[in-house]
Parts: sequence; structure tokens; C-alpha cells
Amino acid sequence: EAGVTQFPSHSVIEKGQTVTLRCDPISGHDNLYWYRRVMGKEIKFLLHFVKESKQDESGMPNNRFLAERTGGTYSTLKVQPAELEDSGVYFCASSQEQGGYEQYFGPGTRLTVT
Amino acid sequence: AQSVTQLGSHVSVSEGALVLLRCNYSSSVPPYLFWYVQYPNQGLQLLLKYTSAATLVKGINGFEAEFKKSETSFHLTKPSAHMSDAAEYFCAVSGYNQGGKLIFGQGTELSVKP
Repeated sequence: EAGVTQFPSHSVIEKGQTVTLRCDPISGHDNLYWYRRVMGKEIKFLLHFVKESKQDESGMPNNRFLAERTGGTYSTLKVQPAELEDSGVYFCASSQEQGGYEQYFGPGTRLTVT
Repeated sequence: AQSVTQLGSHVSVSEGALVLLRCNYSSSVPPYLFWYVQYPNQGLQLLLKYTSAATLVKGINGFEAEFKKSETSFHLTKPSAHMSDAAEYFCAVSGYNQGGKLIFGQGTELSVKP
């Protein structure tokens, strides 16, 4: 069974540009989460999809971030326009159920905004 | 709001020595508790979890953790460290009816000396 995949693994963009991160969850996992780790800080929750619907987007930093999940399958996270403080590692995770169930994490996308 | 504190951003032990990584959480209700490990260039991997069953939880690779409600702690231990245990370890909490989103501690980098 394939794990959670993320693309690209690294992205270096200039301030003001747009970047789109992609996450492919484990097949059959209705729950998809995005997290971010800024250098030197803890991993922070961004948002949670159940199938194609956003259940919780309380962690999204501002309206420069837009997440979608097409048909309840893969998800994209777009940053437009990117700012320096958006640099960090963006993780995607998926799970079959909520609550005390294991979340399976992808390897992350390292975003550097210069 | 829930929070997780990991004492010590870096811990160094000798091979064969006891590993003890500390985690304290703040919650008025016993939550779900997790320990994840991240090896270099990989995603987070679940080591073990507590979901209100046995307070002593055994995980993969010889790790275990004990849930102590009175101390609001969930410390991770391993009797004998191996070189392959060198990685970053994350303690995380998820509350009931919170959709499964994880609140992470700051992470602890474990080094193992030969």
C-alpha cells in the first residue's frame, strides 16, 4: 500500500510569487490534514478535510493560503502571494477515522521564500 | 487551549543507556496522546499512542510510555538506546471531538553516542 506522498519535496520561490503544494493521501482515507513547521518552532495544525469538505481551518494563517481537496482525493495548498514568514516544512497526513486514530504523514515539502 | 511541553530540545545518551524523553500536556480531560518519530528526510512515524486503555503503552522499536493523569505526563522511555534511535521525537495530543487535529510539542532531538 502506498503511503502519503507530497510534491514537490523542495520549493524555492521569491517573495510575492505563488506556490502550490500537493498531497496524495492513502487511498480510502477520508481525513486529510495539513500541518506546518516553521524553523525552530513546533509543528502546527493548518486545516482538516473530511472527504472534500473543510471541517476545520482554524489554523490557516491568513487568506493568502487556499486549500482544496478535489473529489475527496488529493489536496492542494496554494500560497499566494508568498511572504518570507511562509518558509518552513509543510506536512500532509491522512487517517481513516478521527480521534485516537493514527495519522500517516508524508515526507513534507520544504518551502523556502527568498 | 491544549498545549504540549517537551522538556529538552536536545537529549544525548550513550549506546546502551536508558532513553527518557519527557512530555507534559495541559488538558482538563484525558486526551489522546501520541509519540511520533522523524528520521532524517522522512515523514513522521507513529511510535505509540494512548487512547484511554492501558496506562502503560508499548510501541515499536522497544519504546514505551506511561500515561500519568495526576502528573499530566506521557514520558517516552527505552531501556537501551541503539544508534538507530537517533532521530527527532514529537509528543502530540488530540482532544475529544476535535476532529483528530494534533497539537505537537516542540520536538526533542535524540543523539546516541557510541
